[in-house]
Amino acid sequence: GIQVEQSPPDLILQEGANSTLRCNFSDSVNNLQWFHQNPWGQLINLFYIPSGTKQNGRLSATTVATERYSLLYISSSQTTDSGVYFCAVAPLNGNFNKFYFGSGTKLNVKP
Amino acid sequence: NAGVTQTPKFRILKIGQSMTLQCAQDMNHNYMYWYRQDPGMGLKLIYYSVGAGITDKGEVPNGYNVSRSTTEDFPLRLELAAPSQTSVYFCASSYSAQGGSPLHFGNGTRLTVT
Repeated sequence: GIQVEQSPPDLILQEGANSTLRCNFSDSVNNLQWFHQNPWGQLINLFYIPSGTKQNGRLSATTVATERYSLLYISSSQTTDSGVYFCAVAPLNGNFNKFYFGSGTKLNVKP
Repeated sequence: NAGVTQTPKFRILKIGQSMTLQCAQDMNHNYMYWYRQDPGMGLKLIYYSVGAGITDKGEVPNGYNVSRSTTEDFPLRLELAAPSQTSVYFCASSYSAQGGSPLHFGNGTRLTVT
């Protein structure tokens, strides 16, 4: 199946700092989504972004499909941004119903 | 509109016992999925369904079974629980994977097998 690599694996920020999380994938994708798993374990969909750029408040995401990577930007981080951020992709060729997840970036925002 | 509902929230099983994890969605989604998340890891796809009566294996299907008799429900069955099945199980749904609709997750079931 398609390989998904996320970096960095861990990130510690001071409140108010900015950060960039990266997701690399090994094949062309039909679907790419970013999720936030909060400290209570809930998975929240942040973006559906197989290509292009989207923004939602302090968060934005960019996917460069031809180069097989996606970036998640967090600006002016807050303690509530803490948790694990996952990238999930579904391959363009083959079974597009199968989403493959990366191992995540664990973010800790300190007050 | 409750979204994706999973029950139970927690369960402890003894080795060899069986159980069914329940998942229901009220969004009329065609696609439903079962994932497991081991500590510190990403999610692995167990089974998925593209509609009532249609299911298929994911990356880690061994030890599990599913059925999809209605659009709303997608239960996951563990027949002979093993310690390796200790994990957090998430159910998810989407309207259409091909069109790129977002995945909606339930709150998970934390299962311990001892």
